[in-house]
Amino acid sequence: GQNIDQPTEMTATEGAIVQINCTYQTSGFNGLFWYQQHAGEAPTFLSYNVLDGLEEKGRFSSFLSRSKGYSYLLLKELQMKDSASYLCAGLDSNYQLIWGAGTKLIIKP
Amino acid sequence: IAGITQAPTSQILAAGRRMTLRCTQDMRHNAMYWYRQDLGLGLRLIHYSNTAGTTGKGEVPDGYSVSRANTDDFPLTLASAVPSQTSVYFCASSATTSPTDTQYFGPGTRLTVL
Repeated sequence: GQNIDQPTEMTATEGAIVQINCTYQTSGFNGLFWYQQHAGEAPTFLSYNVLDGLEEKGRFSSFLSRSKGYSYLLLKELQMKDSASYLCAGLDSNYQLIWGAGTKLIIKP
Repeated sequence: IAGITQAPTSQILAAGRRMTLRCTQDMRHNAMYWYRQDLGLGLRLIHYSNTAGTTGKGEVPDGYSVSRANTDDFPLTLASAVPSQTSVYFCASSATTSPTDTQYFGPGTRLTVL
């Protein structure tokens, strides 16, 4: 079956760096998305990776290794407003999005 | 303000009742989607529409129907609600039908079926 695995919850300190991991098993692969979702709000797009490597966008970076079925989202210089759930979603061979349950990130002062 | 609106924000519904969740976007996006989000589970696609006049079934379509009479509106109907349909429902849209295109989500409707 198809599956997206990511930790349920993580805690980090304001100003620090945190890495949120995501592993995927999909039938075929056509890329991986990261979305941010604040509590009670809609998910918003962060990144899309289809090639191996690291893509940086300001304080947020996303990494993909297709051979390992693995991605991570790296958040630097954490701010309190980064407290949210981070959703990983893989695009399978039929171009269907398979969503993970999300990682709730708690930022402490 | 451009974006996606959903109505109602929340609703408590008796089992067996019919309910339509509304979704409207003003970005002239071609593709629209309905998801449900349940605690501990990833978003699950209910139905989608690639363009006005066409719809398709997603991962969990049973008990739900949709229509796409025009570009802007994509209502989701529960013909006879059951408690297992208690969830948060998100409508989303993307500019094109490319699956790699960014999806923009509405604020969600929290539905409770008793």
